[in-house]
Amino acid sequence: GAGVSQSPSNKVTEKGKDVELRCDPISGHTALYWYRQSLGQGLEFLIYFQGNSAPDKSGLPSDRFSAERTGGSVSTLTIQRTQQEDSAVYLCASSLGQGGVEKLFFGSGTQLSVL
Amino acid sequence: LAKTTQPISMDSYEGQEVNITCSHNNIATNDYITWYQQFPSQGPRFIIQGYKTKVTNEVASLFIPADRKSSTLSLPRVSLSDTAVYYCLVGLLFKDMRFGAGTRLTVKP
Repeated sequence: GAGVSQSPSNKVTEKGKDVELRCDPISGHTALYWYRQSLGQGLEFLIYFQGNSAPDKSGLPSDRFSAERTGGSVSTLTIQRTQQEDSAVYLCASSLGQGGVEKLFFGSGTQLSVL
Repeated sequence: LAKTTQPISMDSYEGQEVNITCSHNNIATNDYITWYQQFPSQGPRFIIQGYKTKVTNEVASLFIPADRKSSTLSLPRVSLSDTAVYYCLVGLLFKDMRFGAGTRLTVKP
């Protein structure tokens, strides 16, 4: 696609429910990143993929968070048993992933609100 | 992993030149320096990237001294639309794509 696409743009859920956030990277980009941004804060790194594998899962805040990527393209971030502190904007980015210096292209994010 | 330090916020006026400095004392030999800009309700976008000396594009200039322990993003003649958060990243590979708190620039009329 022309850019990184994220869906939904907004998600309101109740505490304890599971949510799935989707990211569709730029075509041909093999690296994909998930970040979380709380109101007025910087970007918190969550996880990145190179192809379908995730070499670095260290940023996931708890075992309620998981992510997968299939076909080297679309990625899904799943949050189980959501808590109010999970409320934030979840941003996805992709890059060529050819090694060397990476330039990230971001989507517009998913605003998650947990009531 | 090179840690970066930037001012939390800066104020400027329209038409002025703005310089935002990022400190990265433990930068590695192969690390590049990249700056991103983030407007409210949007994801960050790439501004400029460099390794040493000076890089200039249509948006900004990036100055990197010989020791590479800091870098300065220079925005010429800012306008209200340059009000944003600016992030400095230092690294090379995927694992280095961690953002700091950034610098919140406010441009006043």
